[in-house]
Amino acid sequence: GNSVTQMEGPVTLSEEAFLTINCTYTATGYPSLFWYVQYPGEGLQLLLKATKADDKGSNKGFEATYRKETTSFHLEKGSVQVSDSAVYFCALNASSGSARQLTFGSGTQLTVLP
Amino acid sequence: NAGVTQTPKFRVLKTGQSMTLLCAQDMNHEYMYWYRQDPGMGLRLIHYSVGEGTTAKGEVPDGYNVSRLKKQNFLLGLESAAPSQTSVYFCASSYGTSGRGTQYFGPGTRLLVL
Repeated sequence: GNSVTQMEGPVTLSEEAFLTINCTYTATGYPSLFWYVQYPGEGLQLLLKATKADDKGSNKGFEATYRKETTSFHLEKGSVQVSDSAVYFCALNASSGSARQLTFGSGTQLTVLP
Repeated sequence: NAGVTQTPKFRVLKTGQSMTLLCAQDMNHEYMYWYRQDPGMGLRLIHYSVGEGTTAKGEVPDGYNVSRLKKQNFLLGLESAAPSQTSVYFCASSYGTSGRGTQYFGPGTRLLVL
């Protein structure tokens, strides 16, 4: 079956530090890959996505590249801000099946200190 | 557009009581989903629907029922609540196969079963 493994948190960084959150996946076929972000007390919001190998998703200074050879989709940001404090979820969407179900990783809590 | 809305925001139940959680979306999405979020476990799919009048089981369907009588609404029912159903429940919706998997989430319903 499909699965997503994320770097365990929590992660605490100082403002302007470099961020990497690792994500690897197992899936049949050619899934689409996503990063969702959940701010305190809110629902999940799509941060970025990539739908095929070597695609790079980017948004709000965050980037992730779909690496089929290493089955990875690591999230990076060059300079984090306090406002980036949130829980980050990696997810995949199987290319087969009718429901386009998302499989989520367990989430990584990020805290950025001023 | 309101996007995806959920009611209620918070509820406390006693063991054995029943309740219905309502999800509504105004984006004309075909697919709708119910997830539960528990600490350290990411989001797990309870039930989903690929169109009005259809429902299907997800990863953790036991103890829940759903109905999709109107395209814009997706109801999640607990017939006899148990403490193990204490969780945060998220509804999501997406376009069909044309949407490349992006799901849009509601703000969540926090449920406590005593």
